[in-house]
Amino acid sequence: AQSVTQLDSQVPVFEEAPVELRCNYSSSVSVYLFWYVQYPNQGLQLLLKYLSGSTLVKGINGFEAEFNKSQTSFHLRKPSVHISDTAEYFCAVRNRGSYIPTFGRGTSLIVHP
Amino acid sequence: DGGITQSPKYLFRKEGQNVTLSCEQNLNHDAMYWYRQDPGQGLRLIYYSQIVNDFQKGDIAEGYSVSREKKESFPLTVTSAQKNPTAFYLCASSKGTGASTDTQYFGPGTRLTVL
Repeated sequence: AQSVTQLDSQVPVFEEAPVELRCNYSSSVSVYLFWYVQYPNQGLQLLLKYLSGSTLVKGINGFEAEFNKSQTSFHLRKPSVHISDTAEYFCAVRNRGSYIPTFGRGTSLIVHP
Repeated sequence: DGGITQSPKYLFRKEGQNVTLSCEQNLNHDAMYWYRQDPGQGLRLIYYSQIVNDFQKGDIAEGYSVSREKKESFPLTVTSAQKNPTAFYLCASSKGTGASTDTQYFGPGTRLTVL
């Protein structure tokens, strides 16, 4: 079985400041990792994914994430946030060979002017 | 453009009525999923289907039913047995192979309010 923990339910930050959204996972096998973004009353949009290879993954909208196998983490970062980054962010894990991911509970990023 | 459509976007129903949420995809994906989203609880899997005419219960299937008569369509019925149906419902699809390239794509969601 796989599980995902998003350590912060809400992260407030000022515009142009850096941000890190934390994600830890648990699995007995190798995994694929994903970050999705959800704007109010919309579906989820894929930000980035780690499949294999380089542990630093770059995604859309200036976001990046780093896979750390020893710490079983996949934290999402952005060096300078914008008001438009205000949204809900979901981390997801999928065991290799399985097609069904498990989602975290989400982190609400609130960017203040 | 390829994608997933869900209709309607907002749905209001009286308590005790069954209601069916529509989900259609033109991505030629084999697998389709239904999730329920409540504030602070993330996404919870209701039902999923890997091929036509076959589907499996997810973590919270009680009070829900689905059908998969066509590859493109995976409607969800919220029955009167569902004790707390008011929520945001998301449909998703993927290739369903489990390969590294197998990524889920989501529809825009349907917000169901039971009065």
